[in-house]
Amino acid sequence: ILNVEQSPQSLHVQEGDSTNFTCSFPSSNFYALHWYRWETAKSPEALFVMTLNGDEKKKGRISATLNTKEGYSYLYIKGSQPEDSATYLCAFSYNQGGKLIFGQGTELSVKP
Amino acid sequence: EAEVAQSPRYKITEKSQAVAFWCDPISGHATLYWYRQILGQGPELLVQFQDESVVDDSQLPKDRFSAERLKGVDSTLKIQPAELGDSAMYLCASSKSGIGQFFGPGTRLTVL
Repeated sequence: ILNVEQSPQSLHVQEGDSTNFTCSFPSSNFYALHWYRWETAKSPEALFVMTLNGDEKKKGRISATLNTKEGYSYLYIKGSQPEDSATYLCAFSYNQGGKLIFGQGTELSVKP
Repeated sequence: EAEVAQSPRYKITEKSQAVAFWCDPISGHATLYWYRQILGQGPELLVQFQDESVVDDSQLPKDRFSAERLKGVDSTLKIQPAELGDSAMYLCASSKSGIGQFFGPGTRLTVL
């Protein structure tokens, strides 16, 4: 059984706070780790796809790291803004083109 | 920017009725996926198409669900008859390279 776990399930922060989420996944048969941001009433938006152990990706104030040997990834948001409020999903894939196996998501709420 | 289109965005139906959802992937994307997200959980794959062929439908409840992609472009997912437990968000995604998946906004189904 392939399980992807995310923590925390929800997070409430103040504007300007920095925050991070964790995604744990099976360390065997790894192909790629995906992070998505999903705002209410919109399409899930791809943030990062990471394939190599030690990968670090950055997009503006958001960055992610990957450890495939121990099976975890961290997503960091520096200086959270209200527009960062969304559900952040991570997903694991074990082959190219195959299905994504998602965690349950972390719901982030940023108060002004 | 090319997007995955889905319709309807919201559907309310009574149990035992038939419902259908439509997805138009990004032009040129050969792989199409239907995922279902039950509240509080991550999305799970129902069916995957490569062009017009089904690649993976192992999690599709075939007694009531059917999916088709007759010309290898747009796709329809049908439920007949709908049950209360089918209430969920139905997401369509498409992929060209097999690494990244691009999602539509989903169809929110409520079965009464």
